[in-house]
Amino acid sequence: EVQLVQSGAEVKKPGESLKISCKGSGYSFTSYWIGWVRQMPGKGLEWMGIIYPGDSDTRYSPSFQGQVTISADKSISTAYLQWSSLKASDTAMYYCARRIRGSGSYLFDYWGQGTLVTVSS
Amino acid sequence: DIQMTQSPSSVSASVGDRVTITCRASQGISSWLAWYQQKPGKAPKLLIYAASSLQSGVPSRFSGSGSGTDFTLTISSLQPEDFATYYCQQSYSTPYTFGQGTKLEIK
Repeated sequence: EVQLVQSGAEVKKPGESLKISCKGSGYSFTSYWIGWVRQMPGKGLEWMGIIYPGDSDTRYSPSFQGQVTISADKSISTAYLQWSSLKASDTAMYYCARRIRGSGSYLFDYWGQGTLVTVSS
Repeated sequence: DIQMTQSPSSVSASVGDRVTITCRASQGISSWLAWYQQKPGKAPKLLIYAASSLQSGVPSRFSGSGSGTDFTLTISSLQPEDFATYYCQQSYSTPYTFGQGTKLEIK
C-alpha cells in the first residue's frame, strides 16, 4: 500500500529554523517525484516545488524560490521541506504528494496527511 | 506562470442536483489538468486527471471535460458526501498552479 507519512505539527518562533519530513512507503521512492503544497489558514492550495528523489533534481515555484529548501534522502525514502528563518506568514498546513504520469498527463495520486506549522512569538 | 481561474468561487446546490465547475487556463495546456476534492481538515483527493480520466475508486457521477484552455468538472447527481471544495491544477509546466477553489455548499 502506497503511503506518504508526514512529520507532526510544529510550533515555532519567528526567526527559528525548521525541517519537516514526508516518508514514502509501499512503492519505489526513487522513481517518482514528490511535490510540496502550502495551504494557509482558510485559503487555497499553492504549489511550492517538486523533487525527484532518484537524483535530487528539484524545481521551485518562483513564489517560493529562496524561501524554502526541498531535499530528499533516498536511503530512508524521505523528502524534506525546510526553512532557515521562519516568518509568521509561514503559518500553514503543508502537504507532500506523489507525482505520477497517467494518460499523457501528470497527477498527484497519493498525499500525505499534512503537517501544520504555526509560527508565533 | 500559468494562471488557473475557477468559476464560480462558491455554489449552493441540493442533493440530486447536477453541478458544473469551470476552470480556465491563461494559456493552452492541452489536457494536462487534474481535479481534486478537499474536505475540511483533510488532504486533497484526486478525482480526475488528464482532463477527463476518472481516478480509480472515484464514483462515476464525477466527470471532466475540456482541452486547451477551458475545462469543466461535472457532478451528475450530488450526494451528501460531495459537499467540499474543488480545485483544478495544471501540470503542463512548473509551477503546477492550482485554481483558487470552488466551495460546494448545501442549499
